[in-house]
Amino acid sequence: KQEVTQIPAALSVPEGENLVLNCSFTDSAIYNLQWFRQDPGKGLTSLLLIQSSQREQTSGRLNASLDKSSGRSTLYIAASQPGDSATYLCAAPAASQGAQKLVFGQGTRLTINP
Amino acid sequence: SQTIHQWPATLVQPVGSPLSLECTVEGTSNPNLYWYRQAAGRGLQLLFYSVGIGQISSEVPQNLSASRPQDRQFILSSKKLLLSDSGFYLCAWSRQYNEQFFGPGTRLTVL
Repeated sequence: KQEVTQIPAALSVPEGENLVLNCSFTDSAIYNLQWFRQDPGKGLTSLLLIQSSQREQTSGRLNASLDKSSGRSTLYIAASQPGDSATYLCAAPAASQGAQKLVFGQGTRLTINP
Repeated sequence: SQTIHQWPATLVQPVGSPLSLECTVEGTSNPNLYWYRQAAGRGLQLLFYSVGIGQISSEVPQNLSASRPQDRQFILSSKKLLLSDSGFYLCAWSRQYNEQFFGPGTRLTVL
């Protein structure tokens, strides 16, 4: 059974810092892993999808890495801005037939202080 | 481009009343569709998913049911709401094992 854990639960840093969010998963037989952002009271916005054949995926100031052997993924945010404040969720797929059944971590609530 | 809609955005219902939440996707065909619930202080939980019209898989035994009457329409229902059904309901779609995209959500409060 897939389980996903995110550490830390909350993080507060000053503007401009680089930071790393961590995600671990128990079932390493995954074909991809997805990172999301959620603003208060809103739906989830997909940030990055890393395929199992990739080790990294980049979008702007965001870089996600995937290490299947150790069951870990990290989301690196460069030069953080107040607008980056949100909850960040990672999700790994559970075994399924024909559908992307995602198991989510509890999220990291990020606050960037001006 | 693809768009996913959910309505209503917010809903306040008494205990024991029925429920119908609707989700529609535009700009794609034969998507996989998903219903999730996010309860206060808890993570996202997958409730149902569908790989085609009339094909529904339930992940958690509960007071809710789902239906897919059309290719891009997914409905979440209940005959009698419980207090524990309160939460934020999110619909999502994907192409098979690929990236999953979420709708804006419905905030349900059961009183």
